[in-house]
Parts: sequence; C-alpha cells; structure tokens
Amino acid sequence: DTEVTQTPKHLVMGMTNKKSLKCEQHMGHRAMYWYKQKAKKPPELMFVYSYEKLSINESVPSRFSPECPNSSLLNLHLHALQPEDSALYLCASSQGMTSGRNEQFFGPGTRLTVL
Amino acid sequence: AQSVSQHNHHVILSEAASLELGCNYSYGGTVNLFWYVQYPGQHLQLLLKYFSGDPLVKGIKGFEAEFIKSKFSFNLRKPSVQWSDTAEYFCAVSPNNAGNMLTFGGGTRLMVKP
Repeated sequence: DTEVTQTPKHLVMGMTNKKSLKCEQHMGHRAMYWYKQKAKKPPELMFVYSYEKLSINESVPSRFSPECPNSSLLNLHLHALQPEDSALYLCASSQGMTSGRNEQFFGPGTRLTVL
Repeated sequence: AQSVSQHNHHVILSEAASLELGCNYSYGGTVNLFWYVQYPGQHLQLLLKYFSGDPLVKGIKGFEAEFIKSKFSFNLRKPSVQWSDTAEYFCAVSPNNAGNMLTFGGGTRLMVKP
C-alpha cells in the first residue's frame, strides 16, 4: 500500500467552528508532514513529525494544532480560522527525515473553505 | 535559506512538441532535487529525483532531468509531449542537512493542445 489518505476531501467551516483534518498512511513511514497550498501556488511546509514527535513548526499560527496519535495517523485541529486560511491542505509521509533523500508521498489533500 | 525558481509559469505546447522546463536553486551545499507533477484534480506525484551520481536522471512517463551543478539547475525534459501531460510541474529541493525539508519552486502550468 503506497497511499496516503486524507479525510475529508472538502470542508467548509465558519470562523468560530472547531474541525479536524485527518491523514493516514500504512507504509511504515516514520515522518509525516502538513503542507498548505493556496491556489496557483506551491505547497508550503507547516509541520513535520518524526517518530510521532513534532520536529518542525514553520511559525504556524496557534489556530492550527497538529497531533500525531500514532505512527500511521496525523491530525490537524482547526479552531477560529480566518477566511485567508482557505486552501488545500496536503499531508505527506516519508520513511525518515534524517537526510534530504527521503521521497515524500503526498495525499490528495483536503480543500478547506473558511466562511 | 534555499530558494527555487521556475522561470516558466505557463507553457502551451502542441502534442509531439519537445518540452524543457527550467529550474534553478540557490543553496551553497549539497542538495537533493526532485520534480513533482500535479495532474488536474489529483495529488502530487514524484516524477524523478536526483541524489548523486549520473547527472542525467530518468523518471516515469518518459521524463528526464539533468543536474548541472555549475549552473545550479535541474531542468526537466521530455522529447515528445502528450495531451495527458497537461498538469502543473513543481521542482523541489531538499538540502542534505535540513532534515528532509522540501522547498518547492513556484510551479509551471503546462497545457498540451491535442
């Protein structure tokens, strides 16, 4: 199984809502990533988890809260988002992250709209 | 911090035309280089990668890329494009000492006319 799955595919939420994005992989990968991709722009790294521990936080606002319950799952909890947070949120995984040679496998993304 | 530049934002070609997409990066150390493709409505997929060795690398679907260290470039090529190659193409760089962090270029949107 070489797939990264993400749910939901689409999410519409108000600025006062709390919601969560989910990501799952069964490739035995030990590094998982969250990216944000605005329309017609490249993906931008948000968070990296390595061996279920937060390794990198790219100065993301606290209204985004990542969680890695186990080595196969990665969540992104959303609270009090702004309309400018509307984007495609991509999850990726790789075998490791000790060098730059680990291919990242991407999920299909969750398209988030904040009203 | 490293940066990646893709010179062509939009490219329109007819089927059977040859393709070359430019990618330049700025980073003084050893890097790993990738090209990803995003077909309409689909997820990012790896086309090819370069870590070391032969600077000409071959990927899936007939794509290849050449690493020219002196020019800090990693251009993507395909001799004859097909309508199904219509997609967005992203060059990405990961320095050896940066914990597998990918920096993407701005992307090139390719449209192939049948």
